[in-house]
Amino acid sequence: NAGVTQTPKFQVLKTGQSMTLQCAQDMNHNSMYWYRQDPGMGLRLIYYSASEGTTDKGEVPNGYNVSRLNKREFSLRLESAAPSQTSVYFCASSSQGLQPGKYGYTFGSGTRLTVV
Amino acid sequence: AQSVTQLGSHVSVSEGALVLLRCNYSSSVPPYLFWYVQYPNQGLQLLLKYTTGATLVKGINGFEAEFKKSETSFHLTKPSAHMSDAAEYFCAVSSNDYKLSFGAGTTVTVRA
Repeated sequence: NAGVTQTPKFQVLKTGQSMTLQCAQDMNHNSMYWYRQDPGMGLRLIYYSASEGTTDKGEVPNGYNVSRLNKREFSLRLESAAPSQTSVYFCASSSQGLQPGKYGYTFGSGTRLTVV
Repeated sequence: AQSVTQLGSHVSVSEGALVLLRCNYSSSVPPYLFWYVQYPNQGLQLLLKYTTGATLVKGINGFEAEFKKSETSFHLTKPSAHMSDAAEYFCAVSSNDYKLSFGAGTTVTVRA
């Protein structure tokens, strides 16, 4: 099925460990995003890539890095995980074209990360 | 800058009753507005969106929303709630920007 695929679905890390969350979309979308979801706080933007070859910080980038590997793939890396990074992480993509923001996003099913 | 406020973190309705979820936004330019639904342990799914044109927007599953510029609101309604409507709902705004800003979400519970 077409859409946004995230791996893994679940992960438990120890404090200080590193890991990379993978995201791929097969809809030929230009823009890709990483959000985290925490209870009562909605979704907060970590990083985004408006187009292949560019990345920019969102609201809460500290402790994360990203790579736009190609048009399809956008990965999120935690270099040294902390308990405050326990969250549900969502990748999304959008076909922005010349009217940014008009088309909304297609979301992946999320990665539940626990840092102990 | 853009932001969204959803009034009420939790709404409980009886099956068959009206569902009303409130959303107010701030934006420096004409906004694009969205409602998403999230079922337990799933990603977000687009319910409906307003970009331009008709201010009453119809979406999936019988939901609709009305854009009121004078009130900076985009409230979501459904005339008759169904048990399957139990979920979390997010309002989001974009202001000709690559980013969406989300509200904190409203959890809907449907009572039999």
